[in-house]
Amino acid sequence: NAGVTQTPKFRVLKTGQSMTLLCAQDMNHEYMYWYRQDPGMGLRLIHYSVGEGTTAKGEVPDGYNVSRLKKQNFLLGLESAAPSQTSVYFCASSPGGGTEAFFGQGTRLTVV
Amino acid sequence: GESVGLHLPTLSVQEGDNSIINCAYSNSASDYFIWYKQESGKGPQFIIDIRSNMDKRQGQRVTVLLNKTVKHLSLQIAATQPGDSAVYFCAEKKGQAGTALIFGKGTTLSVSS
Repeated sequence: NAGVTQTPKFRVLKTGQSMTLLCAQDMNHEYMYWYRQDPGMGLRLIHYSVGEGTTAKGEVPDGYNVSRLKKQNFLLGLESAAPSQTSVYFCASSPGGGTEAFFGQGTRLTVV
Repeated sequence: GESVGLHLPTLSVQEGDNSIINCAYSNSASDYFIWYKQESGKGPQFIIDIRSNMDKRQGQRVTVLLNKTVKHLSLQIAATQPGDSAVYFCAEKKGQAGTALIFGKGTTLSVSS
């Protein structure tokens, strides 16, 4: 059982480049989340989705876009990467709107 | 702004001691308060939650206490083991559909043998 899988695990981008982070879950969960984790800042919610075809802004949505075209996938896009977006990104999913979310292993992104 | 936070960024204990990790929250409208554990190099993992109309909930070796008067949440770990070394986050959630989990900043627990 794979759970939540994030692709890629590591990436280095140059300022201004674009990229998409992929999150896939095989648990048929309705809710999916994208968080970023920075030292001393904890986990901050970027965007989330409560079902296929829906997205909503979180605490720090600027500079990111998301799409949930299929229930099992949640994509996070950076249109023009900035050094401030250097972070570890975590995707999570949960059944309905419950309190137990299942996290992926994270994507370490460095923007130079 | 952030509505959950932790009192201390780090906590060091001896193996076998009881650990208490604290969290202060400001959003009285939250319906659930949750604790997550993050081991090095991994994503956070759910430990236990408590509904806002409860004061105490026990799990395996863990107890969560909620004091709504002073808006304080704590996680007690009994007989702390080296495997408990991790970063612990409190989180909150409103109960209605369409709301997300919001996390605090985390406390790093170090357990020495």
